[in-house]
Amino acid sequence: DVVMTQSPLSLPVTLGQPASISCRSSQSLVNSNGNTYLNWFQQRPGQSPRRLIYKVSNRDSGVPDRFSGSGSGSNFTLKISSVEAGDVGVYYCMQGTHWPPYTFGQGTNLEIK
Amino acid sequence: EVQLVESGGGLVQPGGSLRLSCAASGFTLSDYWMHWVRQAPGKGLVWVAQINHDGSATTYADSVKGRFTISRDNAKNTLYLQMNSLRAEDTAVYYCARDVYSVGDYWGQGTLVTVSS
Repeated sequence: DVVMTQSPLSLPVTLGQPASISCRSSQSLVNSNGNTYLNWFQQRPGQSPRRLIYKVSNRDSGVPDRFSGSGSGSNFTLKISSVEAGDVGVYYCMQGTHWPPYTFGQGTNLEIK
Repeated sequence: EVQLVESGGGLVQPGGSLRLSCAASGFTLSDYWMHWVRQAPGKGLVWVAQINHDGSATTYADSVKGRFTISRDNAKNTLYLQMNSLRAEDTAVYYCARDVYSVGDYWGQGTLVTVSS
């Protein structure tokens, strides 16, 4: 199974400041067609997960452009350019290249300082 | 508007069974692969099962293989998860999720399954 490792696991951020979350996979997530199925999810307290980014760097519909994804191979990053109060929650990366199983990172808890 | 609404959760004794449903609306269910993902209390997300467009192909996490069955009725716009031989460690909120570029462009609100005597 592909292991997804996120860092940090806890991320205190000042409002208006940028934030960055790293996600590393135990093997390359590039498939035979050259696609990389690395997604990012946000889970606000008490809510269902919401996908922010698909295939490394594509924002889902309605996601503010403050959120961006980057990376390649086995190293990926989610960046928030300017953190707002509504960004509080847990962020997960997930790989969908080598399945089954689909695997998630442990989650990163973003909080406001 | 795309909506996924799970139901069927509840309290069940170890060894018991439960069937979860996920009612889809706002899109044509038969156009999409679908997933079940669960989240134990205070824990992270864990993928459970996947089904293709017409139900002819399914895959499972090792932890549920042989005990859980994912199925779908496209005519009723509904996804199912039949859970047998339930264990305490199956206690979780169960989400259904649509597959576009892999798991989860849309998720339901979840349904809580508690396995306890």
